[in-house]
Amino acid sequence: AQSVTQLDSQVPVFEEAPVELRCNYSSSVSVYLFWYVQYPNQGLQLLLKYLSGSTLVKGINGFEAEFNKSQTSFHLRKPSVHISDTAEYFCAVSFTRVSGGYNKLIFGAGTRLAVHP
Amino acid sequence: DGGITQSPKYLFRKEGQNVTLSCEQNLNHDAMYWYRQDPGQGLRLIYYSQIVNDFQKGDIAEGYSVSREKKESFPLTVTSAQKNPTAFYLCASSLGQGGTEAFFGQGTRLTVV
Repeated sequence: AQSVTQLDSQVPVFEEAPVELRCNYSSSVSVYLFWYVQYPNQGLQLLLKYLSGSTLVKGINGFEAEFNKSQTSFHLRKPSVHISDTAEYFCAVSFTRVSGGYNKLIFGAGTRLAVHP
Repeated sequence: DGGITQSPKYLFRKEGQNVTLSCEQNLNHDAMYWYRQDPGQGLRLIYYSQIVNDFQKGDIAEGYSVSREKKESFPLTVTSAQKNPTAFYLCASSLGQGGTEAFFGQGTRLTVV
């Protein structure tokens, strides 16, 4: 079965420290990978996506993620976080059906990033 | 500005009543989706529609119904058969092709009392 696992439900970190939010997926077919951010009582906003090509993907707000096919991972990183990065982060995977394409996104359970001064 | 509009942002209903959540998009996207969000459970797919006049059940469709009479609109009805309707509901749309990201509305928080 296809699934997405976010290994940490909460990640506390001090301001200006680096952070890594972990995401692993399970799939027998090719995947597209996404990271979304959600601020309280709001919808989701796309941070970055991996479709093909370079395995290091840069996104908005200084975030980047690396696709590792052998480890089936897509971890999100930021070298120096700010208070404003406090939010919930969701990893998502998209699989294209063999019969041709519908974009079903499967989400992880989310990681709550708490940045402290 | 192009985007997805969900209304209302907050909704209160008495137990046993049906309620309809609105979702409108002007992005000219073919595909639209409804997700339910509960704390610690991520997003779960309720229904999706790839094209007008067609929709499919997602993972948790029981107690919900939808329609897709227009490309721009994908309303969700939470019926009295939904046993635990209090949640945050998110509507999304996409081009519908594999690899394209979904764009989300701001959500509707439904509280049933």
